[in-house]
Amino acid sequence: QQPVQSPQAVILREGEDAVINCSSSKALYSVHWYRQKHGEAPVFLMILLKGGEQKGHEKISASFNEKKQQSSLYLTASQLSYSGTYFCGTPINTGTASKLTFGTGTRLQVTL
Amino acid sequence: KAGVTQTPRYLIKTRGQQVTLSCSPISGHRSVSWYQQTPGQGLQFLFEYFSETQRNKGNFPGRFSGRQFSNSRSEMNVSTLELGDSALYLCASSRDASSYEQYFGPGTRLTVT
Repeated sequence: QQPVQSPQAVILREGEDAVINCSSSKALYSVHWYRQKHGEAPVFLMILLKGGEQKGHEKISASFNEKKQQSSLYLTASQLSYSGTYFCGTPINTGTASKLTFGTGTRLQVTL
Repeated sequence: KAGVTQTPRYLIKTRGQQVTLSCSPISGHRSVSWYQQTPGQGLQFLFEYFSETQRNKGNFPGRFSGRQFSNSRSEMNVSTLELGDSALYLCASSRDASSYEQYFGPGTRLTVT
């Protein structure tokens, strides 16, 4: 079952904050976040693991609520470079993390 | 370090034909996954290969197949193409089967007419 993302699209002015949500009908063991700029390949942003561990290399933050089976990505003080489509992904099988079921994406546009 | 490369980048085929797409993972990466991306369905998992073995397969018909070679390079094949197969096909590599971080290639844009 594909994760559900909300909102589907959001337009921000530079400097504003945004929250992107990802919900799953199945138990979550990890949540992966990717960003895809127009015409480019998706790029790994962050992974949240059961137990609260986070791994990422961008200046963004995220939360992972195992009980609610959802994750939220927080984009603060947005920059023009944040524009793109954000995807959350959850592992298809619990023990193997390298292939994911992705949500339908949230299109983020940051304007001046 | 070179990234994931995919060839060709663009392809136009006719219904009923078959196509082979190629993916070269990052050096040292042994796991390769394939995804189909369309505006309507988003990113959908096709299959994953590790050490020349298919570990998992998504919910696609048997017309979609793949393989991985000993050097970790992977190919996917689609036979008897249908209009609905038009999509961006993305390959992603990771260090091994349990790696969390995947690196995507630029994709192959397939158009079926």
